[in-house]
Amino acid sequence: DVKVTQSSRYLVKRTGEKVFLECVQDMDHENMFWYRQDPGLGLRLIYFSYDVKMKEKGDIPEGYSVSREKKERFSLILESASTNQTSMYLCASIAGGTDTQYFGPGTRLTVL
Amino acid sequence: QQQVKQSPQSLIVQKGGISIINCAYENTAFDYFPWYQQFPGKGPALLIAIRPDVSEKKEGRFTISFNKSAKQFSLHIMDSQPGDSATYFCAANLLTDYKLSFGAGTTVTVRA
Repeated sequence: DVKVTQSSRYLVKRTGEKVFLECVQDMDHENMFWYRQDPGLGLRLIYFSYDVKMKEKGDIPEGYSVSREKKERFSLILESASTNQTSMYLCASIAGGTDTQYFGPGTRLTVL
Repeated sequence: QQQVKQSPQSLIVQKGGISIINCAYENTAFDYFPWYQQFPGKGPALLIAIRPDVSEKKEGRFTISFNKSAKQFSLHIMDSQPGDSATYFCAANLLTDYKLSFGAGTTVTVRA
């Protein structure tokens, strides 16, 4: 069974703090994604990575950066957290040549 | 701009009834149309998916109907059960780049 884990289920941070969200998958998937989920907006793609050290912007990359130093780990970084980044953050992975993305349980981030 | 539009935002159905969720897409190049199911506190999980070369796909009580000319697809949940209460997301993408465009989501509540 594919497992995608996220470092925290709930996180509360202050405005201006640097925030790290970690995601680890155990199935050797090449492709990893970060989404944010907001009511009425569905899931929106922030960044994705096709391979180690590779990254590409999604639809809403502003205010975020990512890091992928190892194949199994994909980190989302909020350089200076703002209240409008309060959201549910979901990580996903998919093996090359397949069509199913596997999601982690999400991190609910609140920025005060 | 959302490439996949989903309706309704929420629906309530009696146990044993039929739930219908509709989606419309813009990009005619999309070639994969999955539906994801999300329970509270969990990440989305693939429920059923269809490719545009068929007009219908059925898995148990879940059926996707696909209308390529109208650029629309829908999910039908037959004999709805309380355990089907969840949020459902339609999505679409090009299989070659894995980037999913999600609808806004539909919260389904099945009353016993």
